[in-house]
Parts: sequence; structure tokens; C-alpha cells
Amino acid sequence: EPEVTQTPSHQVTQMGQEVILRCVPISNHLYFYWYRQILGQKVEFLVSFYNNEISEKSEIFDDQFSVERPDGSNFTLKIRSTKLEDSAMYFCASSEYYKGSGANVLTFGAGSRLTVL
Amino acid sequence: GESVGLHLPTLSVQEGDNSIINCAYSNSASDYFIWYKQESGKGPQFIIDIRSNMDKRQGQRVTVLLNKTVKHLSLQIAATQPGDSAVYFCAENGPGRRALTFGSGTRLQVQP
Repeated sequence: EPEVTQTPSHQVTQMGQEVILRCVPISNHLYFYWYRQILGQKVEFLVSFYNNEISEKSEIFDDQFSVERPDGSNFTLKIRSTKLEDSAMYFCASSEYYKGSGANVLTFGAGSRLTVL
Repeated sequence: GESVGLHLPTLSVQEGDNSIINCAYSNSASDYFIWYKQESGKGPQFIIDIRSNMDKRQGQRVTVLLNKTVKHLSLQIAATQPGDSAVYFCAENGPGRRALTFGSGTRLQVQP
């Protein structure tokens, strides 16, 4: 079964350092997403990406965050200057293109745990 | 309301019983709903979805019910098994959106 893969599975960084989280979405999917989940809390939307540009972003996705699709397979989330409160599990997801309204099943990766010290 | 933090509501059931997990949503414009299961240390995994033009949809051992009048969604799991133990999230989106908005989650504990 096709899956979304994420690397690294766990990253520990010092406050103020830059972090890049990587994702390989499912190959025929055209929409890509980043979500985060602080320990024990709900899954929060960060950003969605389609056709090489951001299509939607939340209030959490401020200027310290950026996303990129550097090649035909990878999708990255960069945090420029990490803060303690950025410690969370970051999930990448992807979904197919569909016409009209309705089903939009996001397939999630296993996540990258970020610990900021 | 919003997520309350570390203390997820917990539903504890005996193996073999039926489970019902509830979710309330606030956006009356939401037209697509989905249930995800999240096991410890893993990403959310799709269970079942439903569009707003339906009020019930069945899968294998799972049924989703949608009551748009009161903005309520439920997930029913028949003959609950220990492998069903996880946190369950409802999620929704509305017209023109691709991203899903997740609810707060319910922890299901299945006692053998």
C-alpha cells in the first residue's frame, strides 16, 4: 500500500537553530500538507500546498515556517529559528486531486518528532 | 470548544462490546467529515468518511452517523477488539477547502 514517508523520525535541536523536516508524499498525489501535534493534544493544521504554491495556511504558520517542493518527490518544512514551543510531532500528509466537492482523504506519514532544547 | 490539552476524554469498553465515539463540530458549512485512528507513536490512519448529503455510512465493523441538525458526528465500532485501542479524531472541511480541521480526540481503551 502506498505510504507517506517522513525523515527524520526524531530530531533534537537547540533553540534558535534551523530545522528541515522532509517528506515523500504518495507519488500520484497532488496536494501536500503539514500538521503538528503537541504531545497529548489534537492535530493542528499548518499549511497546504498545491501546484508549487501554498494554497492555505493557519495562524500557526508564521514567518519562521516555510515549505518547499525542491524536486519531484520531496516536500519539506523548514523552521528557521526554533523555539521551545515548536517541540511537537510534525505530520506530513498528501491527498489526490479530485474534481468537485467531497471526499478528500489525507494520508498521513508516521511523523517527525521535534524536540527543542 | 477547542482542545483542552493533555486530558483526552476516555472511553473504556470490554472486548466484544460495541463502542460509540462522539464528536461535535461547530461549522455549519462543513460538508465532509472523516474519522481517523491514531495509535501511540504513529500518524493518523483513515477509518471512514461521510459527505454531508448522507446521514449514515457503513464500513467493515464501523459505522459513521451524521446529524447535521445538531452538528454531531459519531463513530460506532462493532465487536470492539484490543487492536481498536487508540485515540480517535473526527475531522472536517468545508466548501473550497482541502485541509482538514481536527477535533480534540477520544481515547478508546479496550479491556480484554
